Amino acid sequence: GQQVMQIPQYQHVQEGEDFTTYCNSSTTLSNIQWYKQRPGGHPVFLIQLVKSGEVKKQKRLTFQFGEAKKNSSLHITATQTTDVGTYFCAGPYSNYQLIWGAGTKLIIKP
Amino acid sequence: DGGITQSPKYLFRKEGQNVTLSCEQNLNHDAMYWYRQDPGQGLRLIYYSQIVNDFQKGDIAEGYSVSREKKESFPLTVTSAQKNPTAFYLCASSIDFPGTVNTGELFFGEGSRLTVL
Repeated sequence: GQQVMQIPQYQHVQEGEDFTTYCNSSTTLSNIQWYKQRPGGHPVFLIQLVKSGEVKKQKRLTFQFGEAKKNSSLHITATQTTDVGTYFCAGPYSNYQLIWGAGTKLIIKP
Repeated sequence: DGGITQSPKYLFRKEGQNVTLSCEQNLNHDAMYWYRQDPGQGLRLIYYSQIVNDFQKGDIAEGYSVSREKKESFPLTVTSAQKNPTAFYLCASSIDFPGTVNTGELFFGEGSRLTVL
């Protein structure tokens, strides 16, 4: 069946270093969504990408959607403690359902 | 403020008991969802509903039941048939569906953490 693979599972960074998480789908996606979940919290929508090759920025966050619409990435420049959490990608595999990546947990080293 | 309210936030259940998790939204959304989250995994869909009095099974519906008698409400019952119910349960809603042209972003409640004793 359709799968969305997300790597890495964890990423430990020093504050100020960059962070990147990658999603790969086994099939072409009509769009891809990204969410952030703070520790103990619930997922919060960040962005949706729709177009092939699309790049969107939100301050220090850069989101990309691949040309084939099968992969996507989220890059955070100069991480801050407020960036801590788990980042999920999700893509529709029917009109009504999303399939989720397993998430990448961003951990700031003390 | 518009949003989704889940209750209770924490719930303990003895084996063999049914429990019901509440989910209420005042966003006027047609679509509602129940997800289960286990450590280190993505969200898995239990049930979803597109409209009042209609709901569909997701990937892991066994041992769960839902109802959708009102647009605002989508309660989830975890039955005794669910063998491993300890998890974090998330209710969500969306104004449109994920596969449509419009943004199908999901709005989540704060979750209910169920522990089986």
